[in-house]
Amino acid sequence: DAKTTQPNSMESNEEEPVHLPCNHSTISGTDYIHWYRQLPSQGPEYVIHGLTSNVNNRMASLAIAEDRKSSTLILHRATLRDAAVYYCILISNFGNEKLTFGTGTRLTIIP
Amino acid sequence: DSGVTQTPKHLITATGQRVTLRCSPRSGDLSVYWYQQSLDQGLQFLIQYYNGEERAKGNILERFSAQQFPDLHSELNLSSLELGDSALYFCASSAEGDRIGNTIYFGEGSWLTVV
Repeated sequence: DAKTTQPNSMESNEEEPVHLPCNHSTISGTDYIHWYRQLPSQGPEYVIHGLTSNVNNRMASLAIAEDRKSSTLILHRATLRDAAVYYCILISNFGNEKLTFGTGTRLTIIP
Repeated sequence: DSGVTQTPKHLITATGQRVTLRCSPRSGDLSVYWYQQSLDQGLQFLIQYYNGEERAKGNILERFSAQQFPDLHSELNLSSLELGDSALYFCASSAEGDRIGNTIYFGEGSWLTVV
């Protein structure tokens, strides 16, 4: 069973910031928080990951709560190409178990 | 390009038949994962191999089997196929022990249609 919970769907206007939440209340100290996204008919692609501190890369930012029980993926300026299903998943640093993806959040971008 | 190669990209076969899906992981990656994704469904974890050994098993049917070979490529064998087995099958790989939370890299998938 997935160890994360996400809203099923979200909508955002084009060129506006998007905040995608994820709850992971049972996270352990060795779990990294990873985000992936899946465009239609494609394999999931890596977006960003973090452990404790907030992270930025060219695709997005990841804000991690101080207690690590939740995180937020931030797309600073959504484009139509960001429409996808976004998955939040915990990956242990000490060997991966059943890497279960939840249903993710289907992000719709409104032009 | 993730570096993970899956073949074939598309496959149509009849019920009761057997097919083999092949996956070449990224160079140097020791772990291979297989996932099944039916139409408009989430990713269902099937099985993971690490350096030739089975590491974790998910909701994989008894009619399905997989293995990872010494050169680290993997094959997923699907037998006695049923209409419900029609799905997109993804392979993914990761570099175990790189101490960065093991980012997973996915292939483009193999579309299986059972008729």
